[in-house]
Amino acid sequence: QKEVEQNSGPLSVPEGAIASLNCTYSDRGSQSFFWYRQYSGKSPELIMSIYSNGDKEDGRFTAQLNKASQYVSLLIRDSQPSDSATYLCAKASGSARQLTFGSGTQLTVLP
Amino acid sequence: EAQVTQNPRYLITVTGKKLTVTCSQNMNHEYMSWYRQDPGLGLRQIYYSMNVEVTDKGDVPEGYKVSRKEKRNFPLILESPSPNQTSLYFCASSSKYPSDYGYTFGSGTRLTVV
Repeated sequence: QKEVEQNSGPLSVPEGAIASLNCTYSDRGSQSFFWYRQYSGKSPELIMSIYSNGDKEDGRFTAQLNKASQYVSLLIRDSQPSDSATYLCAKASGSARQLTFGSGTQLTVLP
Repeated sequence: EAQVTQNPRYLITVTGKKLTVTCSQNMNHEYMSWYRQDPGLGLRQIYYSMNVEVTDKGDVPEGYKVSRKEKRNFPLILESPSPNQTSLYFCASSSKYPSDYGYTFGSGTRLTVV
């Protein structure tokens, strides 16, 4: 079992809809989680971090964490074509607290 | 501008010819790391460094070397590249523990080994 699992997609949503991206992880000891966005041919950029159970909102983005069920999700409200990218989920673990990434979910927002 | 700079952006080399990919950050970050990205496998950590002269293996260190002689620089060395090291490489840095702040990534180096 991979440490961080994501549905590779592609996930397509119409413009203005809510895009829901999900991630599960295997290490119950993981404490912090991150969502990165990666446009084609570009480097990953951090969009959200979450450390506690529940929801964390930042503009159109909401990260949700459920440690008991070992999943973290990212909701994008009012999706725009510019949100079309690959979204990477990452968790921090181990004594060195390094980041382990999932393989990413490709999101396409259709105009 | 705060950034992580990698060079070169693109590199084509032949099997067995030693190469170095440079990485430099201007943010005085303590942590630096190298990842490789392959289709379907995501980002996998090669090596990381917690400070000058302190480095450790990530998940896929075989065939790679690193050094951290200065805080700002963290070069990736392939002593004898092989075709299975063809990949997209990212250098990243973090001010403190990556678990607290995440990593900031460089622009990437696309390496092809023929």
